[in-house]
Amino acid sequence: EIVLTQSPGTLSLSPGERATLSCRASQSVSSSYLAWYQQKPGQAPRLLIYGASSRATGIPDRFSGSGSGTDFTLTINRLEPEDFAVYYCQQYGRSPTWTFGQGTKVEIK
Amino acid sequence: EVQLVQSGAEVKKPGESLKISCKGSGYSFTGYWIVWVRQMPGKGLEWMGIIYPGDSDTRYNPSFQGQVTISVDRSISTAYLQWSSLKASDTAIYYCVRLGVRGVPGYYFDYWGQGSLVTVSS
Repeated sequence: EIVLTQSPGTLSLSPGERATLSCRASQSVSSSYLAWYQQKPGQAPRLLIYGASSRATGIPDRFSGSGSGTDFTLTINRLEPEDFAVYYCQQYGRSPTWTFGQGTKVEIK
Repeated sequence: EVQLVQSGAEVKKPGESLKISCKGSGYSFTGYWIVWVRQMPGKGLEWMGIIYPGDSDTRYNPSFQGQVTISVDRSISTAYLQWSSLKASDTAIYYCVRLGVRGVPGYYFDYWGQGSLVTVSS
């Protein structure tokens, strides 16, 4: 089973700053099968990025995804107040199966 | 507009049974797989199993096989997650989610229900 490790666990930033979130896989992941989600307190997660770099419908262009193989990154340019949340990466494997990272919390500094 | 609307919060005792629901609208319900996802208090996300409403093909995460049953009623565009005997450790929020590619049991989770909180306590 592929394990996804996200870092850092918590990121303390101010509005307007850039957030860089990392997701590292224990084995190579096809870029087609890597996604990112945002979850705000008391809400369901929301799809941000799929296929490692494609933004989901309605997602602002300050969110971008990149990476390949075992290292993937979610970048949030110019943090807005509504961006402070927990972010999860997810990979899809065969069978089917999915694994999630443990999450990165982006908090207001 | 694609929507998945789940049933409300439940409070149950250990050993009781429960069936929660997820009604899809705004898209071809039979054309997309549905996945159930568990989120225990303060924890991350785990997929439990998937079902294809078109033919009721169902697949479980081995960690949840035998612990829950996933089903669907195509006539009312509703998927279900049920337990025959709840445990305190089943306390969690359960989400139903649509898989993002029509007819394919994989890829990303694009539309999420609002979640159903299940509390199991004596």
